[in-house]
Amino acid sequence: GEDVEQSLFLSVREGDSSVINCTYTDSSSTYLYWYKQEPGAGLQLLTYIFSNMDMKQDQRLTVLLNKKDKHLSLRIADTQTGDSAIYFCAEKNGGYNKLIFGAGTRLAVHP
Amino acid sequence: NAGVMQNPRHLVRRRGQEARLRCSPMKGHSHVYWYRQLPEEGLKFMVYLQKENIIDESGMPKERFSAEFPKEGPSILRIQQVVRGDSAAYFCASSPPGGGESYEQYFGPGTRLTVT
Repeated sequence: GEDVEQSLFLSVREGDSSVINCTYTDSSSTYLYWYKQEPGAGLQLLTYIFSNMDMKQDQRLTVLLNKKDKHLSLRIADTQTGDSAIYFCAEKNGGYNKLIFGAGTRLAVHP
Repeated sequence: NAGVMQNPRHLVRRRGQEARLRCSPMKGHSHVYWYRQLPEEGLKFMVYLQKENIIDESGMPKERFSAEFPKEGPSILRIQQVVRGDSAAYFCASSPPGGGESYEQYFGPGTRLTVT
C-alpha cells in the first residue's frame, strides 16, 4: 500500500541544524520530494531526490535517502526563523503521476 | 512567468449549494492535479487531468464531485450539494508535458472552502 509518515513537530534553536524525517512504504517510488508550506499559503517545492541517489545537497538543504529502509530525511543547516513552516514529504510511485504526502512536520524555530 | 493561479482564494457555501473552484496552470503546463487538505492533515490526491481528458480520478469521491480541464480555459473542480465535511483547502498543481525534469508539481495558493 501507499503510506508516508512523518513526525508531527520539531522545535530547534535559531542557528542549529534541523533534521526532518520521513518513512514511506512503496518500494516502487521513483522520486521523493520535500515541500514547504507557510501559514495560509500553498506548497513550495524545496527539493527532490531520484530513487537511485543516496544524497542531494542544495545550499542549506541536504536530502538523505536510505532506500533499503525506505527512509528519507531533510537537513536544514543554520536554521532561521524564516524556516518556520510545515514540511511535507511526498513520493511519486513508478507508474502514476499522483503524489502521496505525509501529514507534515511543523518546524518551530526559536531564538 | 506567473505561477499556478487559483480562484477564489476563499469560498463560503451553505449546505446544499454548489462550489466551483478554478485553476489556471503555469504557462506551458498541460497536466493538472487537484488535492484536498483537511485541517491538520497532509494533502490527499483527488484527480489528474490533461487537456480534455481525465487520466486518474482514483481519489475523487464517487458522488457530488467532478472535474474538467477543457481545451480552453481553466480547470474546474465542482462540488455539488456541499456538506460540512467538504470544508477543506483544495490545492491545484500543474506539471509540464512529459513530466519535466523530475515530474515535479507546482502548487497554487489553494482555495479554502468553508461550508456553513
